[in-house]
Amino acid sequence: DAGVTQSPTHLIKTRGQQVTLRCSPKSGHDTVSWYQQALGQGPQFIFQYYEEEERQRGNFPDRFSGHQFPNYSSELNVNALLLGDSALYLCASSPGDSYGYTFGSGTRLTVV
Amino acid sequence: EDQVTQSPEALRLQEGESSSLNCSYTVSGLRGLFWYRQDPGKGPEFLFTLYSAGEEKEKERLKATLTKKESFLHITAPKPEDSATYLCAVPNQAGTALIFGKGTTLSVSS
Repeated sequence: DAGVTQSPTHLIKTRGQQVTLRCSPKSGHDTVSWYQQALGQGPQFIFQYYEEEERQRGNFPDRFSGHQFPNYSSELNVNALLLGDSALYLCASSPGDSYGYTFGSGTRLTVV
Repeated sequence: EDQVTQSPEALRLQEGESSSLNCSYTVSGLRGLFWYRQDPGKGPEFLFTLYSAGEEKEKERLKATLTKKESFLHITAPKPEDSATYLCAVPNQAGTALIFGKGTTLSVSS
């Protein structure tokens, strides 16, 4: 199954540390979006990458940054972690401008 | 401001007891309304996209409908395996991201 793959699945970090989450999109998809989902909430848009550029950004501070590689895979970096950054981080891929998102299973980040 | 509101927050049904979930939205120029299913600890799984008022889509025991201001997800004769959180979403004005509601958590007991 060539779905969206995220790693790691779970992660525990200490306040102030930095973390990198990884995402491999579904085969044939060139656009990657990242969402943060706090417990009991819907996913919130962080940013979207297309052609290795950040195309749009949601209401998240600069501590959140990303990158897209030539093979369309992507990384999400979070610096100076806060307790409030604890959440499920979801990667979604889609072909071009389509909203036909395929989501990965997410990375559960816990900040202690 | 674009907003998506889902109700109820939680719904408990007996197996076979039909019901509906509501999603109301405020967005200029709707470019589609999306329904997803999310199991605990998993990413959302796409169910339906609706584009215009009056449109309906069905999948097994689920039927989604759309009006100018809201959408309904009707669940007919649900089974325990339908237990999940159901999310609805609409594209933002820039058209580059989905705005999600908080979801309705459905529990179906046998």
